[in-house]
Amino acid sequence: EPEVTQTPSHQVTQMGQEVILRCVPISNHLYFYWYRQILGQKVEFLVSFYNNEISEKSEIFDDQFSVERPDGSNFTLKIRSTKLEDSAMYFCASSEALTNEQFFGPGTRLTVL
Amino acid sequence: AQSVAQPEDQVNVAEGNPLTVKCTYSVSGNPYLFWYVQYPNRGLQFLLKYITGDNLVKGSYGFEAEFNKSQTSFHLKKPSALVSDSALYFCAVRTGGDTGRRALTFGSGTRLQVQP
Repeated sequence: EPEVTQTPSHQVTQMGQEVILRCVPISNHLYFYWYRQILGQKVEFLVSFYNNEISEKSEIFDDQFSVERPDGSNFTLKIRSTKLEDSAMYFCASSEALTNEQFFGPGTRLTVL
Repeated sequence: AQSVAQPEDQVNVAEGNPLTVKCTYSVSGNPYLFWYVQYPNRGLQFLLKYITGDNLVKGSYGFEAEFNKSQTSFHLKKPSALVSDSALYFCAVRTGGDTGRRALTFGSGTRLQVQP
């Protein structure tokens, strides 16, 4: 069964450093998303991406964040200068169509020291 | 704005008994509703969805959910709980239609504990 994959599973970084989180969505899916879950809190939407552009973003997704689909398979989230409060589990998701469910990857745990 | 409420932080049920995990929502227009389950150190796994049609939807692992428009609820149910159902359950909503918000809004989650 096809699944969304994410690398790395755990990333530790120093405050102020740049990180890139990588995702490989399911191959025939057209819509891509990033969410995050701070420990003990709700899953929060960050950004959605369709047709090579951002289609929607939350107030969390400020200028420090960017997304890219550099080739036909990868979908990346970059945080330019990490802050302590960026520590969270970051989930990538994809869906075939707007009415379909979003399939989530296993997540990348980001720890900012 | 769209929102989801899961009023119970934890639900405890004995194995073999029926279970219900509650969810109410608020959204402009017609809702698309989803349930996801999260096992420890794992991602969110899709269980079932309501888009349109029958109010009772059936999903994976014997779970079902009933959409109630008048009560704006979408409670998750299972007739007979298993110990292996113990996990964290999330209800999510988005606005329906192609022009609605694509983002899912999640509830705070309900931990289901099934005792042997």
